[in-house]
Amino acid sequence: SAVISQKPSRDICQRGTSLTIQCQVDSQVTMMFWYRQQPGQSLTLIATANQGSEATYESGFVIDKFPISRPNLTFSTLTVSNMSPEDSSIYLCSVEDRDDEKLFFGSGTQLSVL
Amino acid sequence: SQQGEEDPQALSIQEGENATMNCSYKTSINNLQWYRQNSGRGLVHLILIRSNEREKHSGRLRVTLDTSKKSSSLLITASRAADTASYFCSPSGGYNKLIFGAGTRLAVHP
Repeated sequence: SAVISQKPSRDICQRGTSLTIQCQVDSQVTMMFWYRQQPGQSLTLIATANQGSEATYESGFVIDKFPISRPNLTFSTLTVSNMSPEDSSIYLCSVEDRDDEKLFFGSGTQLSVL
Repeated sequence: SQQGEEDPQALSIQEGENATMNCSYKTSINNLQWYRQNSGRGLVHLILIRSNEREKHSGRLRVTLDTSKKSSSLLITASRAADTASYFCSPSGGYNKLIFGAGTRLAVHP
C-alpha cells in the first residue's frame, strides 16, 4: 500500500495567478497520476508523471497550463498556471500499487478561482 | 484502459437495505476495480476482480463479473449512513492509467 500526503487541501486564488500542488508518497513509485474533478463530474486524467522524464499529457491538457515536476520517486508537483474560474476543481494525485494494480489517491486539493 | 459506465447514476436507500450498482464496459479486460469517493475527497480502492473470477467478497461488499456481458455489479449489504458516497468502476486492460466514469451517487438515509 502507499500513503500519499497532498497539499494544500484547499485554496482560493485570484484569476491570472498560479498554484502549485504537492504530493509526497511514503514509498518509491514509478508512476504518479494527476486527475482533475470538476464540480459534479467524474475524474479526468491530466497526465502521467515518470521520474526523470517529461510527463505524458492527455488530450486537452498541455504542459504550459499544467506543468508537472517529478524530481524523485516519492514526490511530484502539479502547477495550475494563469488560472481562470474554469480551473475551479478538485485536483488529485495517485500512484499505482505495482503488486495489486490498484491506485492509491491523495486526499485532494479543492481549488476555487475567483 | 477504458471508461466504465455506472448505473444507476443515483441511488437512495434506507439504512439496513442492500445497494446494488452496475458497471458496463466495451472491450476485454484484465481486471475491473471499484472505488469509493466520499464528498469530493480522494478515491479509496474497494475491490479488484480479475477477468478469470466471477465473484469476490470483501466484508459487506460483493462484486460479480460477467465477461460475456461485459458487466460487473457491486452489492453493498446492510448499508449504513457511512456508505453514502460516489462509487466508480474502472475496467483495466492491464495498462497503468485508470479511467473513471460518472459514478453512482449512493445516499443511505438513517
